[in-house]
Amino acid sequence: QVQLVQSGAEVKKPGASVTVSCKTSGYTFGMYKMHWVRQVPGQGLEWMGIIDTSSGSIAYAQNFQDRVTMTRDTSTSTVYMELSSLRSEDTAVYYCARDNRAWSQDYWGQGTLVTVSS
Amino acid sequence: QSALTQPASVSGSPGQSITISCTGTSSDLGAYDYVSWYQHPPGKAPKVIIYGVTNRPSGVPDRFSGSKSGNTASLTISGLQAEDEADYYCSSYTSSSSWVFGGGTKVTVL
Repeated sequence: QVQLVQSGAEVKKPGASVTVSCKTSGYTFGMYKMHWVRQVPGQGLEWMGIIDTSSGSIAYAQNFQDRVTMTRDTSTSTVYMELSSLRSEDTAVYYCARDNRAWSQDYWGQGTLVTVSS
Repeated sequence: QSALTQPASVSGSPGQSITISCTGTSSDLGAYDYVSWYQHPPGKAPKVIIYGVTNRPSGVPDRFSGSKSGNTASLTISGLQAEDEADYYCSSYTSSSSWVFGGGTKVTVL
């Protein structure tokens, strides 16, 4: 069965960087793109970007394009999201979500809480 | 890209039907039939319940249905059940080759 398993919770200081991983299984990795979405506490979902797991090409949301880097490792079927220059407003749950090839996301990771605090 | 507009909350009694609206612009909802709806229970991952405006993934009850007219999409839940209580989000592909979500709607079953 399709599984997306994310790395564990992180606590970071302002100005630092964080990397969240999303290890996939149960399907052919390179056939599906991967989105990253976050949810700040008390707020809605926010799209961060998408990576083509086959070619490595990326599209970032304008709000994050200066601070986010998405990569993938085809040997381990894992995608990564690095967010730099963290600030308290980046405290959120970060999700990876598989693109279903129909302009939507079908499978989601369990979420990773990133807390930014001095 | 501004978030799509959803009502903050909608409520209904068991068995009733409710409709959640999602309003965008001619650059997102109005431009494409790539509207999705997600059910997001507290503490869990979101689950897609509608994609491509009207399509239900396998396993999603047919009580959930979607539609779109112009720049507004709608999700209808018929025969409301206690288990339907959750936050619901709409999403659309945009002309900027990005995706945008709505602000979310809390559904309460009275």
